[in-house]
Amino acid sequence: DAKTTQPNSMESNEEEPVHLPCNHSTISGTDYIHWYRQLPSQGPEYVIHGLTSNVNNRMASLAIAEDRKSSTLILHRATLRDAAVYYCILRPRSGTYKYIFGTGTRLKVLA
Amino acid sequence: EAGVAQSPRYKIIEKRQSVAFWCNPISGHATLYWYQQILGQGPKLLIQFQNNGVVDDSQLPKDRFSAERLKGVDSTLKIQPAKLEDSAVYLCASSPQSAGNEQYFGPGTRLTVT
Repeated sequence: DAKTTQPNSMESNEEEPVHLPCNHSTISGTDYIHWYRQLPSQGPEYVIHGLTSNVNNRMASLAIAEDRKSSTLILHRATLRDAAVYYCILRPRSGTYKYIFGTGTRLKVLA
Repeated sequence: EAGVAQSPRYKIIEKRQSVAFWCNPISGHATLYWYQQILGQGPKLLIQFQNNGVVDDSQLPKDRFSAERLKGVDSTLKIQPAKLEDSAVYLCASSPQSAGNEQYFGPGTRLTVT
């Protein structure tokens, strides 16, 4: 069973920031928070991951709540190419490192 | 570097027929995963290999699905016999090691069972 909760869909205007929320109230102290996105007709691709501190990379930023029960993926300037399904996943720090995907958030970017 | 390769990209079969999918992971990646993605859902892990050994196959319907990874490189996933509910996209992914932070996904094989 998925251990994260995300809105089914969101819309954003092109070139505006997008904040994609994820709730994970049952997160354990050793779970990493991973984000992937899936463009139409493609396999998922890695976006970013974090444990406790906020993270930035060339694609996005990840803001993690102090209690780690929620996180937010931030796309600083949405483009039409960012239209995709975004998945928030908890990845155990040990064991099989298994991903359990939920249904994700479908992001629509308006021109 | 070359990505994860999968073939075929599309396959249409009748129920009760058999089908096989092939995956070539990124060179040097020790861990290989097969996922099933039904329309409107997120991917579901079917089986995970570490080199040529199975790490997790708890969600693989073993009465009809089988997978192998000979020599710890390429992998095949087989369904025999197929059912209508097997219609889905089958995704292969690989990662450098079991503790790798990223999984790299192939484009998937879309299977339609009629």
